[in-house]
Amino acid sequence: GAGVSQSPRYKVAKRGQDVALRCDPISGHVSLFWYQQALGQGPEFLTYFQNEAQLDKSGLPSDRFFAERPEGSVSTLKIQRTQQEDSAVYLCASSPGGQAKNIQYFGAGTRLSVL
Amino acid sequence: SQQGEEDPQALSIQEGENATMNCSYKTSINNLQWYRQNSGRGLVHLILIRSNEREKHSGRLRVTLDTSKKSSSLLITASRAADTASYFCATNTGGFKTIFGAGTRLFVKA
Repeated sequence: GAGVSQSPRYKVAKRGQDVALRCDPISGHVSLFWYQQALGQGPEFLTYFQNEAQLDKSGLPSDRFFAERPEGSVSTLKIQRTQQEDSAVYLCASSPGGQAKNIQYFGAGTRLSVL
Repeated sequence: SQQGEEDPQALSIQEGENATMNCSYKTSINNLQWYRQNSGRGLVHLILIRSNEREKHSGRLRVTLDTSKKSSSLLITASRAADTASYFCATNTGGFKTIFGAGTRLFVKA
């Protein structure tokens, strides 16, 4: 497909489980972003990759959150020992340039529910 | 924490009317962008206005930027039922972060 693809679309996890969320950016896009969106709120920045380099991870809420993009394309956001407050939609976006100020193309998101 | 604050939080209008949404932010910016999000979907970019621009148009959209007041407005003219969505402003201050506001929920009644 031509757009940003995220999988799974929905994930239900029991508290304490580990989850992995996948993002396939638009081919050739240098920049990749992860956001967390709570119900009724705007997206909150989690982390930014330029190719395989994670240049900003200041938005990750705790050390239970980990993101990687080892080959500079597909990215995975991993949440360890999930807690109820992790329930949210996780959005991935990519951008062709190497700067964060450019237009971002978003995937449909993964809705995570932690029971 | 979110830099942008949209106003109003929710807006309900009749088809054909104009819709105006406002965004205020706190620090100097490189540019300001507006995005739309339909229920259950990702965000779609609408328009980008640079810090040295004051007004920009794209189809039925008109965006203004007042850097002295740290505010922006999005005007949708001749609204349609399909414009029903949440609208977010987003700012970049030069680093790698893009900061989104909490959004305005627009409902256009047919």
